[in-house]
Amino acid sequence: DTEVTQTPKHLVMGMTNKKSLKCEQHMGHRAMYWYKQKAKKPPELMFVYSYEKLSINESVPSRFSPECPNSSHLFLHLHTLQPEDSALYLCASSQTGVSYQPQHFGDGTRLSIL
Amino acid sequence: GQQVMQIPQYQHVQEGEDFTTYCNSSTTLSNIQWYKQRPGGHPVFLIQLVKSGEVKKQKRLTFQFGEAKKNSSLHITATQTTDVGTYFCAGSGNTPLVFGKGTRLSVIA
Repeated sequence: DTEVTQTPKHLVMGMTNKKSLKCEQHMGHRAMYWYKQKAKKPPELMFVYSYEKLSINESVPSRFSPECPNSSHLFLHLHTLQPEDSALYLCASSQTGVSYQPQHFGDGTRLSIL
Repeated sequence: GQQVMQIPQYQHVQEGEDFTTYCNSSTTLSNIQWYKQRPGGHPVFLIQLVKSGEVKKQKRLTFQFGEAKKNSSLHITATQTTDVGTYFCAGSGNTPLVFGKGTRLSVIA
């Protein structure tokens, strides 16, 4: 069982659709992360929010737009995605945004772009 | 930027054999973390090493951090089928956590 909850678990969308991924944690963590993971590859960091402020954007295309309305919730808004964006999108949280804090991952959203 | 290299990419072992995966960084790390990802699952935090030369044990798993804080290893004694998965090291210096490519472990019963 994971303490970081992601919805939906699976998502199939066309390239012109707009959808959002949701992540939720109630561990009192103040840092939240979005990662992209392709098959047989390591997670790649996309965004980091620390105390609800975007602290890191790893040069992610603007078709991915993160939002962190409060310390418990994180969203990833998707718009006009490309087939190569198909991947597992993982949310994680840690106590603070300091890099030596262990990260707790959600089960991920498996995204397929048609 | 910071890179974390991990070998081997794959390892197939008979149940009961030992297994080791190695991690090397191009720069000195402030800490190294190890994660396990089961097939179809998500990464799960195993342990963190912070001190030079540190050794930590979790049952059959032994984790080491090199003296120069540039390398680390994970050793599993007498593997079991439940050990199957991909083991990632992840290190950070002055940067966010950087994951190694992972070692995919298969255990043949």
